[in-house]
Amino acid sequence: KAGVTQTPRYLIKTRGQQVTLSCSPISGHRSVSWYQQTPGQGLQFLFEYFSETQRNKGNFPGRFSGRQFSNSRSEMNVSTLELGDSALYLCASTSTIGLAGVGNPGELFFGEGSRLTVL
Amino acid sequence: AQTVTQSQPEMSVQEAETVTLSCTYDTSESDYYLFWYKQPPSRQMILVIRQEAYKQQNATENRFSVNFQKAAKSFSLKISDSQLGDAAMYFCAYRRRAGSYQLTFGKGTKLSVIP
Repeated sequence: KAGVTQTPRYLIKTRGQQVTLSCSPISGHRSVSWYQQTPGQGLQFLFEYFSETQRNKGNFPGRFSGRQFSNSRSEMNVSTLELGDSALYLCASTSTIGLAGVGNPGELFFGEGSRLTVL
Repeated sequence: AQTVTQSQPEMSVQEAETVTLSCTYDTSESDYYLFWYKQPPSRQMILVIRQEAYKQQNATENRFSVNFQKAAKSFSLKISDSQLGDAAMYFCAYRRRAGSYQLTFGKGTKLSVIP
């Protein structure tokens, strides 16, 4: 079974530009979540999608947005990039057989991440 | 809000020895999950071990075991017979039992294994 695939793996942008990152979850996984990883702040939750609906959102400005498609693939977009947006962006998928918390511990399977550098 | 604290930014262990990584958390919930994730350099994060808060028994996965102290809100990871492949960042994470799959992570502990 293929793992979580994130593209692109590396990218460099300049301040003010926008970026779109893509995530293909493990086949059959309908829940996708995104995390930002930086040396200073660690791993911070961005958002979570299930069946094309955003279920939960972290404390990030509106410049950060995402969506999920009918095939469970997800994209996140960051507009008007700032230097502080430089980070590793991790996507994770989970099986949603059973509701979260009802016999489903919801193990997250992570991709290798997209490393964004903003100059 | 839940918080997870890992007080050891870096640790090292001799190959074949045992090491314990510490984690404390704060929550007002009574039912939740705790996890340890491993992130090797430039590789994807993988689950090491999981503990359900309502279970008294400490979880064990081969060389990895936890010491879960619910009253103290402590969740340490013990790695026995350390191997070179254990070198990685280790993250402690918390999730509420019901609702979202959102994880709250600690800042991580970088583990080095000395040959």
